[in-house]
Amino acid sequence: EAQVTQNPRYLITVTGKKLTVTCSQNMNHEYMSWYRQDPGLGLRQIYYSMNVEVTDKGDVPEGYKVSRKEKRNFPLILESPSPNQTSLYFCASSVHVWVNQPQHFGDGTRLSIL
Amino acid sequence: TQLLEQSPQFLSIQEGENLTVYCNSSSVFSSLQWYRQEPGEGPVLLVTVVTGGEVKKLKRLTFQFGDARKDSSLHITAAQPGDTGLYLCAGAYLRGGSEKLVFGKGMKLTVNP
Repeated sequence: EAQVTQNPRYLITVTGKKLTVTCSQNMNHEYMSWYRQDPGLGLRQIYYSMNVEVTDKGDVPEGYKVSRKEKRNFPLILESPSPNQTSLYFCASSVHVWVNQPQHFGDGTRLSIL
Repeated sequence: TQLLEQSPQFLSIQEGENLTVYCNSSSVFSSLQWYRQEPGEGPVLLVTVVTGGEVKKLKRLTFQFGDARKDSSLHITAAQPGDTGLYLCAGAYLRGGSEKLVFGKGMKLTVNP
């Protein structure tokens, strides 16, 4: 089954404790991205990757890191999480944005930073 | 960043009613997508419109892309409780040689039986 898998689905942690949210897709997609979804602010892109070893900042990259060492995986790293990073996070993948292909989203990771 | 404004942001209607949700911008997009998101899940693509003036139908849902490719609308006929969810529009545009995708804030629809 074609899917984007995020882990964990839920996480409660404390300020400053490094964490990684994993994302894996099995569709051989080139393009992967991370979004955060907040009430009243909608979906905002954090980082994206157009191919292996190619990543770039989205609209709200501060406080986050990513890596794309292999095509299927695109982890999101919070080196020193802060309460303002409490949010619902989605990983997405697609063939390429410019060919108007759909973004396939994971089921989300609800992150709470205390 | 190009912006997409969706309206209304919330809508609660009775089963059988019709509704239209709008997605507007002052910027031109190369394409526009509509997604539906249910609680606890990620957004799922409904349709992509590419050509100015394009109209696409998906059962009771009708999507239109504005002639100038700056706006879009989603019309639902005879809404059903199963249509309940968050409807998101997303516009694709070029910036710095890369094609970007920006989402509107969404319209939360509740259809009451």
